Amino acid sequence: AQTVTQSQPEMSVQEAETVTLSCTYDTSESDYYLFWYKQPPSRQMILVIRQEAYKQQNATENRFSVNFQKAAKSFSLKISDSQLGDAAMYFCVGGATNKLIFGTGTLLAVQP
Amino acid sequence: NAGVTQTPKFQVLKTGQSMTLQCAQDMNHEYMSWYRQDPGMGLRLIHYSVGAGITDQGEVPNGYNVSRSTTEDFPLRLLSAAPSQTSVYFCASSYSERDGLFFGPGTRLTVL
Repeated sequence: AQTVTQSQPEMSVQEAETVTLSCTYDTSESDYYLFWYKQPPSRQMILVIRQEAYKQQNATENRFSVNFQKAAKSFSLKISDSQLGDAAMYFCVGGATNKLIFGTGTLLAVQP
Repeated sequence: NAGVTQTPKFQVLKTGQSMTLQCAQDMNHEYMSWYRQDPGMGLRLIHYSVGAGITDQGEVPNGYNVSRSTTEDFPLRLLSAAPSQTSVYFCASSYSERDGLFFGPGTRLTVL
């Protein structure tokens, strides 16, 4: 069975500062994918960043980057230069064979 | 492109009533899926489809039926609604695993 665990229900960061959201996963699959999704109050699910498990290089998308530690089964999201618009629920997602599993989410507040 | 569309946006049912949540995508994605989102539990996979005529169960399939007669449409049927099915329902589609999921705007369903 695949599991995705987010141990931080809530986080807070000052505007312009950096914050890291944690995620661990467990899977017996050798080929899988990891994602971070953002859900603002509008309820729309937005893909933030993706990581293919066979790639050692950590993915980066503008102010968003991941720290992918395959042996430790860890997949954290770093948000640099935090902006008010980053305030949202963030979900770590992982899986293979068309069955993506969601973590329970981390609610990020951005303080002005 | 309209992307992934869902109707209705809101629905209130009485226990025992049946209804169909509609989902359509115009991106020619073979993969489509249904998730439910409950507070504190992230999103859980209900059913998914890898192409027309092919469906399979996810984590929480009980009480829901699906069919996939065309590439574009993937309706979710509740045959006899129960209060435990009160949730927000998301439909999603994907071109490939590595692309992640494109989500619809969600349907908020309340069963009284």
